[in-house]
Amino acid sequence: AQTVTQSQPEMSVQEAETVTLSCTYDTSESDYYLFWYKQPPSRQMILVIRQEAYKQQNATENRFSVNFQKAAKSFSLKISDSQLGDAAMYFCAFNTGTASKLTFGTGTRLQVTL
Amino acid sequence: DAGVTQSPTHLIKTRGQQVTLRCSPKSGHDTVSWYQQALGQGPQFIFQYYEEEERQRGNFPDRFSGHQFPNYSSELNVNALLLGDSALYLCASSLGQWGDYEQYFGPGTRLTVT
Repeated sequence: AQTVTQSQPEMSVQEAETVTLSCTYDTSESDYYLFWYKQPPSRQMILVIRQEAYKQQNATENRFSVNFQKAAKSFSLKISDSQLGDAAMYFCAFNTGTASKLTFGTGTRLQVTL
Repeated sequence: DAGVTQSPTHLIKTRGQQVTLRCSPKSGHDTVSWYQQALGQGPQFIFQYYEEEERQRGNFPDRFSGHQFPNYSSELNVNALLLGDSALYLCASSLGQWGDYEQYFGPGTRLTVT
């Protein structure tokens, strides 16, 4: 069975600071993809960043970067220079190369304070 | 370019009734997936449609069924509604059914069963 675990139900960060959200996963597949999605109060799920398992280089998208540790099955998200608009639920998700269905974690609620 | 659209936005039904939710994929996308997101949880995969056929299914009872039309739009039907079916139902579309294709989510339909 494939599982995704997010052990931090809530996190808080001050504006302009850096925060790291944790995620671990379990799979026996060798070809898979990892994602971080953001879900603001508007409910729309927005893709933040994506990592292909076969790539050793960590993905980055502007202020968002990941720390992908394949052997440890760990996939954390770092948000630099946090902004008020970053406040949302963040979900870690996973799928395999042969099946696009996503398996999600339970989410981390990120608060951004002034 | 219109993204993924879903209708209705909100819906209130009574136990035992039947409901139909609708999804129009992003332009050019041919694959539609449905997810159920209970309050405070991550989305759970229901099923996926590609070329008008159900290709993958999650751990949901037969009360949950769907359909994909030739224009790639899709419907999710739930029969004999239970209180536990109250959730946000998300539709996601992608170009193809494989894992390397990004999924784009709609804003969801909030279903309340009383």
